[in-house]
Parts: sequence; C-alpha cells; structure tokens
Amino acid sequence: EPEVTQTPSHQVTQMGQEVILRCVPISNHLYFYWYRQILGQKVEFLVSFYNNEISEKSEIFDDQFSVERPDGSNFTLKIRSTKLEDSAMYFCASSETAGGPYNEQFFGPGTRLTVL
Amino acid sequence: GQQLNQSPQSMFIQEGEDVSMNCTSSSIFNTWLWYKQEPGEGPVLLIALYKAGELTSNGRLTAQFGITRKDSFLNISASIPSDVGIYFCAGRDDKIIFGKGTRLHILP
Repeated sequence: EPEVTQTPSHQVTQMGQEVILRCVPISNHLYFYWYRQILGQKVEFLVSFYNNEISEKSEIFDDQFSVERPDGSNFTLKIRSTKLEDSAMYFCASSETAGGPYNEQFFGPGTRLTVL
Repeated sequence: GQQLNQSPQSMFIQEGEDVSMNCTSSSIFNTWLWYKQEPGEGPVLLIALYKAGELTSNGRLTAQFGITRKDSFLNISASIPSDVGIYFCAGRDDKIIFGKGTRLHILP
C-alpha cells in the first residue's frame, strides 16, 4: 500500500541553524501539507501546497518557514533560523485532491525536530 | 478560529469494555474524521464521515456525524490491548483541524 515517507526520523539542531525536513508524498497525490505537533499537544496545520504554490498557511507559518517541491517526488519544509519553540514532531501529508468527500489526507510517520 | 473540543482527555478502562468519546465544534465542517496515533507515529485515519447523521463502522469502531455537523462520537466495542493510543477527532474542509485527543489506557 502506498505511503507517505519522511526523512530524517529525528533531527537535532542548534538554535539559529537552518533545517530542511523532507517528505515523499504518495505518487499520484497532488496536494501536500505540513502539520506539527508539540509534545503532548494536538496536531496543528502549518501549510498546504498545490501546483507549486502555497494554498493556505496558518499563523504559525511565519517568514522563517518555507516549502518547496524541488523535483517530482520530494516536498520539503525549511526552517531558516530555528528557535527552541520549533521543537516538535513535523508531519507531512498528501491527498489526491483538496476538500470534498473521499479525498482524505494520508500522514507520514513524522520527523522529530529537537532544537537545543 | 475553529476549535474542536474533545472529551474525555484520557480514559482508563478494563480490557473487553466498550469505549465512547465525543467531539464538538464551534463551527460546521463538511467532513469529520477520527484518527488514532500511537507513540512515535503519524495519525492514522480510522473513520471518515461525510453526511450529517451518518453512522459508519470500521470493525469494532463506530462513529456518527451529528445532524448539525458540529459534533461526532466514536465508540470502540470490546476493547483489546492494541486499542491503546491517542484518538483524535478532526474536522476538514481543506486543511484539517484536530481536537486535543483522548488518550486511551487499557488495564489488564
């Protein structure tokens, strides 16, 4: 069964450093998403991406964040200058279409980002 | 903003018991979802609800979408040890809005 994959599974970085989290969405999916989950809290929407553009972003997704689909398979989340409060699990998700019934998002296993 | 209130926050039950958890929303969603998350993993979709009043089952799991599209419940019958985890309700239009989760503990 096709699945969303994410690398690395765990990233440790120093405050102020740049990190890139990578995702490979399901191959026939066209809509891509990033969510984050701070330890012990709920999963929060960050950004949605379609046709090489951001479709929607949350208040969390400030200028320190960017997303890119550099090739036909990868979808990346970059944090330019990490802060301690960026420590969280980051989940990538993808779906065939957006909205509407029966077009659900499938989540990857996540990348645990630890900022020291 | 849109918020989902999920209850209870945690549950301790005996193996074999039935479980019920609820979710209410401050706004209407077109789709309600129930996810399960196990430690170190991403959310896994259990049940999706698309029509107001819809009652859907997936094995021992049953969920219903409220008539007002602002609430839902999830029932698990005859719980087993592998049911342990965090259950999230979620509303979806395009992006998904998650509840805070119900952490299910099963006592031997």
